[in-house]
Amino acid sequence: GEDVEQSLFLSVREGDSSVINCTYTDSSSTYLYWYKQEPGAGLQLLTYIFSNMDMKQDQRLTVLLNKKDKHLSLRIADTQTGDSAIYFCAETNQGGKLIFGQGTELSVKP
Amino acid sequence: GAGVSQSPSNKVTEKGKDVELRCDPISGHTALYWYRQSLGQGLEFLIYFQGNSAPDKSGLPSDRFSAERTGGSVSTLTIQRTQQEDSAVYLCASSLLGGYGNTIYFGEGSWLTVV
Repeated sequence: GEDVEQSLFLSVREGDSSVINCTYTDSSSTYLYWYKQEPGAGLQLLTYIFSNMDMKQDQRLTVLLNKKDKHLSLRIADTQTGDSAIYFCAETNQGGKLIFGQGTELSVKP
Repeated sequence: GAGVSQSPSNKVTEKGKDVELRCDPISGHTALYWYRQSLGQGLEFLIYFQGNSAPDKSGLPSDRFSAERTGGSVSTLTIQRTQQEDSAVYLCASSLLGGYGNTIYFGEGSWLTVV
């Protein structure tokens, strides 16, 4: 079945880069996503990548996909205190069902 | 409305009672999802509706949980004989088509507390 795994916590200093990692098991994944959830708020789509791409960059965000190893990462450059949140990796296959990881809590210290 | 609307936003119920949670997806969206997020936990997939296809119910945790989607629009998630472990935020989401890079929009959630 489908499974998505993430480390639970990451702590960085303001101005550093953050790298949040995710692994998935479904080899038929078509799209992979990163969502952000701030305290008490809903889920915000940050970015997504199609499975035939290796990399996608969007301003401070860089997504890297290693399809062979089923590994996805989100790099946030120049991390700010406002980036503190829970980041969810998610994948979908041809069936369209969206499966989420447990979320990584990013803590940015000034 | 412009976004996914869920009601009630908060519900406190007694153990053993039934509850219904409602989701109004964005107009025209064919895909609708229900997820559960327990305190400090990730998002647990419950059920997925796509157009007129049979729903994917593989995430429903027990036969006390059921969901329907009437007329391809509004969806109701029903929890019968609620238990304390059912306490969670129930999130609904919709997209124009299932997955496939279409932006998936989440509602604000229905916070369920079973006492």
